[in-house]
Amino acid sequence: GESVGLHLPTLSVQEGDNSIINCAYSNSASDYFIWYKQESGKGPQFIIDIRSNMDKRQGQRVTVLLNKTVKHLSLQIAATQPGDSAVYFCGSSGSARQLTFGSGTQLTVLP
Amino acid sequence: EAGVVQSPRYKIIEKKQPVAFWCNPISGHNTLYWYRQNLGQGPELLIRYENEEAVDDSQLPKDRFSAERLKGVDSTLKIQPAELGDSAVYLCASSPQGATYEQYFGPGTRLTVT
Repeated sequence: GESVGLHLPTLSVQEGDNSIINCAYSNSASDYFIWYKQESGKGPQFIIDIRSNMDKRQGQRVTVLLNKTVKHLSLQIAATQPGDSAVYFCGSSGSARQLTFGSGTQLTVLP
Repeated sequence: EAGVVQSPRYKIIEKKQPVAFWCNPISGHNTLYWYRQNLGQGPELLIRYENEEAVDDSQLPKDRFSAERLKGVDSTLKIQPAELGDSAVYLCASSPQGATYEQYFGPGTRLTVT
C-alpha cells in the first residue's frame, strides 16, 4: 500500500526565517503530491501541489520540491509569519487517484 | 463563494448510541469525500462519491458506518452503534469534476464517544 510520512512532528522557526518541512513517500508510482495547512479547529486548506513530471513548483511565499529518486517531498515557506503556525500535511496519490496523507508537522513561529 | 459546510461542529455521545453527520459541498462540486482524522494524524479516506454514486468505500467499516448522497449534493455519514474508538474529527471535502486531487475541506465534526 501507499504510505506517507513526515520527518519531524514539530518544527519551530523564528519569525522572518525560512521554514522547510520534509515528507517521504513509499510508492514510486505516486504521480501527484500536495501540501495542506490545518489550523486548530479548522479543516485542511490547500497550499500547493505538484505532479511527478516536475521537480519544483512555486507559489506565493511557498515552494514545493520533489525528489523522485529518493521519494522525498519538501515544502519551503519564505519569511515565515505568525499566521503560518499550523499543522502541515503532505499527501500523495498514485494509480488509485486517492490521496494518502502523512501524520503532519506542527509548525510554530516564534516571535 | 461558500465553502464546504458541515454540521454539527461538535458531538458528544455515549457508546452504542447512533450519530449522524451532515455535509453540504461547494456548489457544483461533483466529487464528495468523507475522511476520519484521529488526533495527531492526517485524514484517512472513508468514502468517495462521484455525484450520487459511491465509487470508493473500501475503507468504510460497513458493519457500523453508512453514508448516502441522495440527489448527488448533500451527504450524511452515520455510525450505529458508536464505539469509543470512533472518537475523531470527521471531515467532508469536495472537488470539482476532473480535479480529483485538489480537495476543499469543511471544518469537520469533532465526535467524542464516552
